[in-house]
Amino acid sequence: TQLLEQSPQFLSIQEGENLTVYCNSSSVFSSLQWYRQEPGEGPVLLVTVVTGGEVKKLKRLTFQFGDARKDSSLHITAAQPGDTGLYLCAGDRDDKIIFGKGTRLHILP
Amino acid sequence: EPEVTQTPSHQVTQMGQEVILRCVPISNHLYFYWYRQILGQKVEFLVSFYNNEISEKSEIFDDQFSVERPDGSNFTLKIRSTKLEDSAMYFCASCFGLAGIDEQFFGPGTRLTVL
Repeated sequence: TQLLEQSPQFLSIQEGENLTVYCNSSSVFSSLQWYRQEPGEGPVLLVTVVTGGEVKKLKRLTFQFGDARKDSSLHITAAQPGDTGLYLCAGDRDDKIIFGKGTRLHILP
Repeated sequence: EPEVTQTPSHQVTQMGQEVILRCVPISNHLYFYWYRQILGQKVEFLVSFYNNEISEKSEIFDDQFSVERPDGSNFTLKIRSTKLEDSAMYFCASCFGLAGIDEQFFGPGTRLTVL
């Protein structure tokens, strides 16, 4: 059973467009984290959301934690080629960090 | 900027051999983790370690696996008798507080290839 489902798995859009990717679960998490992973490297933390309904902004990236703390979204405004990469969500459950499979994002110049 | 380091970057071994993957966490961190990522698949939690003992482990982390912090600096993952399906990237991570709250810093990974 996949605890954290990310959608879409792949997304290819033009530079300047907006996009939203999703991280969904039927389970409640103490916190959700978003990471970005480059090929051949370890994940790098972008943000942690802890409170239901919380919204955090990181420049053009907006992260939201669902009210029930079961899901999260990442919205990118005016995507740039530098945003290309694998975006992972991960949830804290019983002191274990559970990762989703990720959304592979490709921004076309 | 402090970082987590891992050695070797790539390890090739024969099935049935023992391997030790090494990690040097960030010096003032208290929580340590091992994850693996099979090619094309998701990052999977293996084990967490705090106060010189395992705090959590996944079902993947069976008797073939062990972790140690032998000298207060290195954090090692040992696989006693490697299997083909152990081939993966192994990431070490460290954190000052609990990973769900504090930032978890990942190392660059060790690519393990079992032949």
